[in-house]
Amino acid sequence: LAKTTQPISMDSYEGQEVNITCSHNNIATNDYITWYQQFPSQGPRFIIQGYKTKVTNEVASLFIPADRKSSTLSLPRVSLSDTAVYYCLVGGGYQKVTFGTGTKLQVIP
Amino acid sequence: GAVVSQHPSRVICKSGTSVKIECRSLDFQATTMFWYRQFPKKSLMLMATSNEGSKATYEQGVEKDKFLINHASLTLSTLTVTSAHPEDSSFYICSATRDRANTEAFFGQGTRLTVV
Repeated sequence: LAKTTQPISMDSYEGQEVNITCSHNNIATNDYITWYQQFPSQGPRFIIQGYKTKVTNEVASLFIPADRKSSTLSLPRVSLSDTAVYYCLVGGGYQKVTFGTGTKLQVIP
Repeated sequence: GAVVSQHPSRVICKSGTSVKIECRSLDFQATTMFWYRQFPKKSLMLMATSNEGSKATYEQGVEKDKFLINHASLTLSTLTVTSAHPEDSSFYICSATRDRANTEAFFGQGTRLTVV
């Protein structure tokens, strides 16, 4: 199982762009990179998924370098409601995945 | 996106009793589901992989006789915490994927178990 490493916590002011980087040095060829958001007492919610280069959807962008050993989740113009824990997962499909520590993002007014 | 529903969302039970938690994929068939446990302010810990029609695969350190998993249909997996004790109090979460080619896992809303 690919192990992921993320910063444990980050603070950001409202309206700023937030970038959270995840390291996954032993990612396998077939692995996808997926980011989830979790609020207290709720299940994780899918944010974005990618395999290589850049992926963008209505809520975030995901940047993946050519070697795929890391990825960066970019949240544009965060608001207070973006305060949550963000998890980077590697794998997918029927593969079991291991959650890392996640990054607790605190958005400050 | 696909929906995975857990029931109940919250349960309180007495020590020594058993509690069953259901995980349903509402709009797709899930051959494989996963069960996680989460302690306060901690990350999710994988407990077991639930396979439809076969025995679950448990992670190291997880007691299979304590946490019974049944995946009798393609849309339902159940986790039964047997002879519950206060240390079993936790947040339990399930996830499912639509098919082998689909790489996104859909998570249930979680079940808060409190054993008194």
